[in-house]
Amino acid sequence: KQEVTQIPAALSVPEGENLVLNCSFTDSAIYNLQWFRQDPGKGLTSLLLIQSSQREQTSGRLNASLDKSSGRSTLYIAASQPGDSATYLCAVRCLFSGGYNKLIFGAGTRLAVHP
Amino acid sequence: EADIYQTPRYLVIGTGKKITLECSQTMGHDKMYWYQQDPGMELHLIHYSYGVNSTEKGDLSSESTVSRIRTEHFPLTLESARPSHTSQYLCASSDGRVGVYGYTFGSGTRLTVV
Repeated sequence: KQEVTQIPAALSVPEGENLVLNCSFTDSAIYNLQWFRQDPGKGLTSLLLIQSSQREQTSGRLNASLDKSSGRSTLYIAASQPGDSATYLCAVRCLFSGGYNKLIFGAGTRLAVHP
Repeated sequence: EADIYQTPRYLVIGTGKKITLECSQTMGHDKMYWYQQDPGMELHLIHYSYGVNSTEKGDLSSESTVSRIRTEHFPLTLESARPSHTSQYLCASSDGRVGVYGYTFGSGTRLTVV
């Protein structure tokens, strides 16, 4: 059974710091890994999608890496800003029985960036 | 603009009422999903559909039901709402090409049953 773990569960940092959020998964047989952002009481916004054959993806101040063999991904946020405050979710897309595939989520990292 | 829409955004309703949460997408995706999320907790898959007239239950048992009569529409229904159904419900869709594209989520419906 695929399990996704995110560390740390919560993080509070001053503005300007570079951050690393960690995600680990137990089964390396994944199609892709997706990082999302969720603001309180809102839906999910996709940040980065890494295919199983890729090592990293970048978008602006965000960089996500994937090491499928070790079951790890990191989300790097450069020069953090108060507007980055949100919960960051890691999710892996996996094959399940019957040929179906599903997105399995971690519990998230709650990030607070203070001025 | 292609997107996924959920209505209502917020709903407060009395116990025993029947409710339908709407989800529509304009991206032509064949796969659609419903996730349930309690405050501060993980998302859990409760229903999914791989196309018209195809629906399956997800990992988390739910008293809700879904239907998929049209590709773009995936409503979720609770026949008799209870306080235990209070939660946030998130709808998502994905392209049929597994591994190529990710999931797109709606803004969610926050349901409170009193």
